[in-house]
Formats: sequence, structure tokens, C-alpha cells
Amino acid sequence: QKEVEQNSGPLSVPEGAIASLNCTYSDRVSQSFFWYRQYSGKSPELIMSIYSNGDKEDGRFTAQLNKASQYVSLLIRDSQPSDSATYLCAVNTNAGKSTFGDGTTLTVKP
Amino acid sequence: GAVVSQHPSWVICKSGTSVKIECRSLDFQATTMFWYRQFPKQSLMLMATSNEGSKATYEQGVEKDKFLINHASLTLSTLTVTSAHPEDSSFYICSGSGWAGMGTEAFFGQGTRLTVV
Repeated sequence: QKEVEQNSGPLSVPEGAIASLNCTYSDRVSQSFFWYRQYSGKSPELIMSIYSNGDKEDGRFTAQLNKASQYVSLLIRDSQPSDSATYLCAVNTNAGKSTFGDGTTLTVKP
Repeated sequence: GAVVSQHPSWVICKSGTSVKIECRSLDFQATTMFWYRQFPKQSLMLMATSNEGSKATYEQGVEKDKFLINHASLTLSTLTVTSAHPEDSSFYICSGSGWAGMGTEAFFGQGTRLTVV
């Protein structure tokens, strides 16, 4: 079992729809959870961080964390073509050291 | 977020030569730097972790004599790929972690595309 698993893609949604990205992790002592967006050929860009159970909203993005289920998700509302990218889930157990999932490629079709 | 500057953004070198990649934290002190490698269509793989003033800790399967890491100051870490070969061609990314008022996030440099010919 991988330490961090993401739902296999690619994921395709129409413009304006909600995109849902899921991630599970195996290490129960994980403390910090992050979602990164990576455009092709570019470095990852942090878009959301979440540390406690529940929802965290930032603009069109909502991260959800459930530590009991070892599950973290990212919802993108009103998806735009510019949201098309690979989304990486990352989990930290030690300060700053991230274990990444394989990523889910999202395509938002106009 | 905090800024990490990585140079060069791309480099082409001949097989057998060495290449140095620099990673600087511009507005915070990066007590820890992480170096990742990413092959096409794959996720980031941690190569090594370096703490300022001490030797780097390498992940299993990463040759420490081939990938030399120096973290001499709180704002600068370097990765030198020695005797590069075509199979070392990859996207190398650094990230810095340290107190920047934002918890334990690590902030990524822009990445370096290395091509060995």
C-alpha cells in the first residue's frame, strides 16, 4: 500500500462544474495535509493546507479532512479551463517533509 | 507564501560533466531543504533532506556520492550532480522549510530541467 494514494485519473469535468479530488494516507500520525497544483513542466504550487478535521474554504477551493478515516479531499467549485493541471496531495509527518501522491490530472472542458 | 528561488531553470550538459543547482530562500530562513526529482508523468520523489550545517540525509537508492548536497547557510542549499549521465535527465526541485509564520509548509523553487546529452 502506498503511503499516499490519490484517485486515479484523468478526471474530466465541464466548465462551471465541481471537481472532486480524493486522497487517502496510511500514517495515522500525519499532522499536515496539503494540496498542490502542478502545470506541465512547472514546479508544484501550494493551493491549500489543512491541519484539523473539517472543511477549509479558500475562494473556489474547499479542502476536507477526516483524520479518523485518513482521508483528505479537494473540491473545486465553478471549475475553469485554467484549473486544468495535475493536483498533488501531500502529507507531512515531520516538519516540512512531504510524501506525495501520484497526482490526479484534471481537465476542465470549455 | 514564502519565496524559494532555484537556478538555473534549465541546463543541458554533456555526459560525464557535473552540474550545480542552487536553491535560495529569499524571505525566510530555511532550516531544512528538501531535494526532489520528478520524471515525466510521475510524482515527486524525495532524494535527500538537508539541515543547515549538517550532512544531508539521503533516501534509499539515492547515491550520496553522485548527488552532492551542501547546505552551508540558512538561505542557500546546492545540489551537484556529478558525472552526469543521460539517465540523470530529470526535473529537479528544491523546497525549503522553516519558520516563515506559516507553519510547516515547504515552499518550492521553480525547478531545474536537466538534460544530459
